Amino acid sequence: GESVGLHLPTLSVQEGDNSIINCAYSNSASDYFIWYKQESGKGPQFIIDIRSNMDKRQGQRVTVLLNKTVKHLSLQIAATQPGDSAVYFCAENNAGGTSYGKLTFGQGTILTVHP
Amino acid sequence: EAQVTQNPRYLITVTGKKLTVTCSQNMNHEYMSWYRQDPGLGLRQIYYSMNVEVTDKGDVPEGYKVSRKEKRNFPLILESPSPNQTSLYFCATAPTRAYGYTFGSGTRLTVV
Repeated sequence: GESVGLHLPTLSVQEGDNSIINCAYSNSASDYFIWYKQESGKGPQFIIDIRSNMDKRQGQRVTVLLNKTVKHLSLQIAATQPGDSAVYFCAENNAGGTSYGKLTFGQGTILTVHP
Repeated sequence: EAQVTQNPRYLITVTGKKLTVTCSQNMNHEYMSWYRQDPGLGLRQIYYSMNVEVTDKGDVPEGYKVSRKEKRNFPLILESPSPNQTSLYFCATAPTRAYGYTFGSGTRLTVV
């Protein structure tokens, strides 16, 4: 498959465990945040998003937490499955500002789930 | 089926030979963008378009051109490709600038 990064942070978990992937963002004016999943040979796939007026948002098996005070974002995956193995990116956007919708991406974290 | 279609999927070309990577979306999205992905550098925005005939530079626009003559298409043009443009390219679209992107499957470009 195609390599999307060198020396990325890695997280290895056992199937069925919960996973937590962290991300520090840079722009205090960012007001919209997204987590993407990228599998080998594919484009990034939207997982979940959160706007800055929220601290927590839940989806199916995933939860995103936002701490604006320390500019930190986390993605929690419940009951992790082998199919969750991928590179996970956080992205930030200042949708209401002058960045014109540019998503700025973090470097990514490699999640490996062992059966 | 809602999708973003990029072509070609893989391309090997020589320095200086003009090429175009096409991107088409069927979701009536206003916002379209091109990103390149490189090991150690992550995803970086090349150009974006907020609507037909409205385009602007992203973070790494040098050596690239785009056009947005129709809402559904947003081609990326390399007038004179160089080896440092060897990369994985993604087209991405969104309903407006305040939403997350839907990405295409990518184009792996190698310039020799």
